[in-house]
Amino acid sequence: NAGVTQTPKFQVLKTGQSMTLQCAQDMNHNSMYWYRQDPGMGLRLIYYSASEGTTDKGEVPNGYNVSRLNKREFSLRLESAAPSQTSVYFCASRAGGSGANVLTFGAGSRLTVL
Amino acid sequence: QQPVQSPQAVILREGEDAVINCSSSKALYSVHWYRQKHGEAPVFLMILLKGGEQKGHDKISASFNEKKQQSSLYLTASQLSYSGTYFCGTEAQAGTALIFGKGTTLSVSS
Repeated sequence: NAGVTQTPKFQVLKTGQSMTLQCAQDMNHNSMYWYRQDPGMGLRLIYYSASEGTTDKGEVPNGYNVSRLNKREFSLRLESAAPSQTSVYFCASRAGGSGANVLTFGAGSRLTVL
Repeated sequence: QQPVQSPQAVILREGEDAVINCSSSKALYSVHWYRQKHGEAPVFLMILLKGGEQKGHDKISASFNEKKQQSSLYLTASQLSYSGTYFCGTEAQAGTALIFGKGTTLSVSS
């Protein structure tokens, strides 16, 4: 049981380049999330998808786009990367949008923008 | 709006106790607690729901004061394995996303 799988694990980009972070879960979860983690800032929500076919902005959506490709997959795209987007990105999922369900996190993707 | 966690850091000897607090300016539906080891993903510890009771397992427990929109995580008789960063995540309504605090770093030494 893989849980939440993120690719790539590490990526180095130059300013202005684009890339997509991929996330897939095999737990039949309805809701999926993208967070970024920076030192001293905790986990900040970028975008989330409460169910297949819906996406909503989180706390820090600027500079990002997302696609809920199907129930399993939720991708995060950086169209024109900036050094401020250097971070560790975590994808997470949970069964439903209610408070009784826990988040399961992927292992993280470390992105460096030069 | 991010919940506020305090303290930012705690240093303990094995066997000592600690309390980590989490407060929100919004009415809350649920509070989640997660622990993250260095270089790893956060891992779920417990959930407290509005109207629910204090939770606990082993020597870690938590409470949720709905009137004050505050939650506290209690770690008793700390072990080396308790070291890590603790995050509270809050949810204002069922079906919305978790918003996390900045974290509390706990260091336990022998």
